Parts: sequence; C-alpha cells; structure tokens
Amino acid sequence: EVQLVESGGGLVQPGGSLRLSCAASGFTFSNYWMSWVRQAPGKGLEWVANIDQDGSQKYYVDSVKGRFTISRDNAENSVSLQVSSLRDEDTAVYYCVRSIGLSTSLWGQGTPLTVSS
Amino acid sequence: QSVLTQPPSASGTPGQRVTISCSGSTSNIGSNPVNWYQHLPGTAPKIIIYGNDQRPSGVPDRFSGSKSDTSASLAISGLQSEDEADYYCAAWDNSLSAYVFGSGTNVIGL
Repeated sequence: EVQLVESGGGLVQPGGSLRLSCAASGFTFSNYWMSWVRQAPGKGLEWVANIDQDGSQKYYVDSVKGRFTISRDNAENSVSLQVSSLRDEDTAVYYCVRSIGLSTSLWGQGTPLTVSS
Repeated sequence: QSVLTQPPSASGTPGQRVTISCSGSTSNIGSNPVNWYQHLPGTAPKIIIYGNDQRPSGVPDRFSGSKSDTSASLAISGLQSEDEADYYCAAWDNSLSAYVFGSGTNVIGL
C-alpha cells in the first residue's frame, strides 16, 4: 500500500527538542521531493520545509530556519524533521508530504506536537 | 498573515456553483503554478488541482481551477454535501524561496 506514516510527536517543554519521522512505503521513495507541512490549532496550513531526492537541496520557512533540520534516508525510505529550540507557536499537527505540488502528491495522517510547560 | 489571500468562507446551496479566489503577487502566483488542496476535518489534506488547472485522477470534474496574472480561483460547479471542507491555494514564492499557502476558505453548504 502506498502510504506515509508519521511518528515522533508528543509533549515537549519550550526550548526542547524532538525528532519527527516519516516512513514511506509502496513507492520508490528516492524519486520524490518530500516536505513537512504543519497546522496549528485553529489555523491554516503552513509549509515548513522541503528536501529534494538526494538531500542536496533543502528549503525552510523563515520562522524555523536555524531551529529545524530536514533530512532523509533513501535506504530506509524515511524523512525526518529535527525540531529544536521549540516555541509555543510550534504547536501543531505535522504532516509529511510527497510531491507537494504535483498530481502525485500524497499526505500522511500527521503527528501532533505540543510545546508547553 | 498569509502571502496568498483567500476569503475566510464561501457558501452555496446543493447544486450551486461556488468560487474561491486566491490573490498573490508576481513572485508567487505570477511566476509559478497554483495548486489547490481540500482539507476535511480529521483527515489528511488532498490535492485537487495542480498546475493551475489540472485535476489528479479521481478528483471529480466539478472541481476546476484557473489563473490570471497574480490571481487564481477554484470553482465547484454543482456543490455537494461532501464538498464541505477547507480549501487552500498554494504556490512557490521565488522571493521567499518558500512554498506558501493561502489563508484557507471554509466552504459551507446551506
């Protein structure tokens, strides 16, 4: 089955760190750009980061630059988002997305991250 | 505040045509393809229009997209109850080197 499954979310204190992971299955993972998108409670969708097929190109939204790092392991068919120096405003459901702007776009079900003391 | 501007809500009776606008700038909509996503509560978002006006397989043909200069629109012709959802436009922004979403439009059936 073609799917993306996120994991790693949870409750973290402000200033803390966490690693979000996304396991891909059912398709040739190394052929696709991957993204992370988040949705804060009561808010709209916000793109967070992109990574190209071999990990050589990475882009981030300004609000997470220097704090979040996207990476991928094509051998393990996975993409990760290392989040650090967390703030209250990082509280959101984080979605893993394949080919965000193409017909082959595929979204995972999301993993919730709550930043709170 | 979102880079792409959408109305917060839109509504229509069953069977009616509903349109959603998305206003941007030369660095995003004016330079790159526009995509539209449908987000039903409790589910994963889904792309329903890509490349301004293309429908992925499986998306009903009552959904259509268009673009002109720095604006885009999504039309739902023949609104059905299952279309009640949040809709987001999105495009790559060359100035920000970022993928930007619109603020989202909640479509309500009357």
